[in-house]
Amino acid sequence: DQQVKQNSPSLSVQEGRISILNCDYTNSMFDYFLWYKKYPAEGPTFLISISSIKDKNEDGRFTVFLNKSAKHLSLHIVPSQPGDSAVYFCAASPIIYNAGNMLTFGGGTRLMVKP
Amino acid sequence: EAGVVQSPRYKIIEKKQPVAFWCNPISGHNTLYWYRQNLGQGPELLIRYENEEAVDDSQLPKDRFSAERLKGVDSTLKIQPAELGDSAVYLCASSAARGSKAFFGQGTRLTVV
Repeated sequence: DQQVKQNSPSLSVQEGRISILNCDYTNSMFDYFLWYKKYPAEGPTFLISISSIKDKNEDGRFTVFLNKSAKHLSLHIVPSQPGDSAVYFCAASPIIYNAGNMLTFGGGTRLMVKP
Repeated sequence: EAGVVQSPRYKIIEKKQPVAFWCNPISGHNTLYWYRQNLGQGPELLIRYENEEAVDDSQLPKDRFSAERLKGVDSTLKIQPAELGDSAVYLCASSAARGSKAFFGQGTRLTVV
């Protein structure tokens, strides 16, 4: 039973256009959501996060949108650059006070940005 | 600031052999995680430590996997004996307290032949 799903295994976008990566979750206890980017032979690196009290968080070219009622979040990259080509993982966690996260990851979406 | 350090980067072993992975988290991070990532999938949590205490090990196959975090800093993950299905990337991550984001190491790619 996958609690976090990324239904698109891959996405191809032209340089300069918008990339939209989607993620759905089923566990209503999830309160904190993160996006990680992963290059080959490297560990995932944190990109951006959002807590359930917000519906949008922006950091430079990256914006994450959260729709709690639909249990859906998305990552927008504008404008997309060839260096953004990587696998993107969506992750979710319940808030655990005085402790770290319990991250549940989606299966990842491979983004290819063409020059 | 040094990130999460893992060793070795790659390991090839024959089935039924033991193997161990080592992780040094970011200094001051109380929470340490071990994840396993199978090919084409997202990371799956094996065990989470808060300081020295393993607070979530429900996904750790305890018949063959063991982990320890002595003194609440470095951690080792051991598999004995390894099976073909254990081939995966083993990722260590750490985070500061109070629900902050996790930082990952580069991982150890295990191949069991």
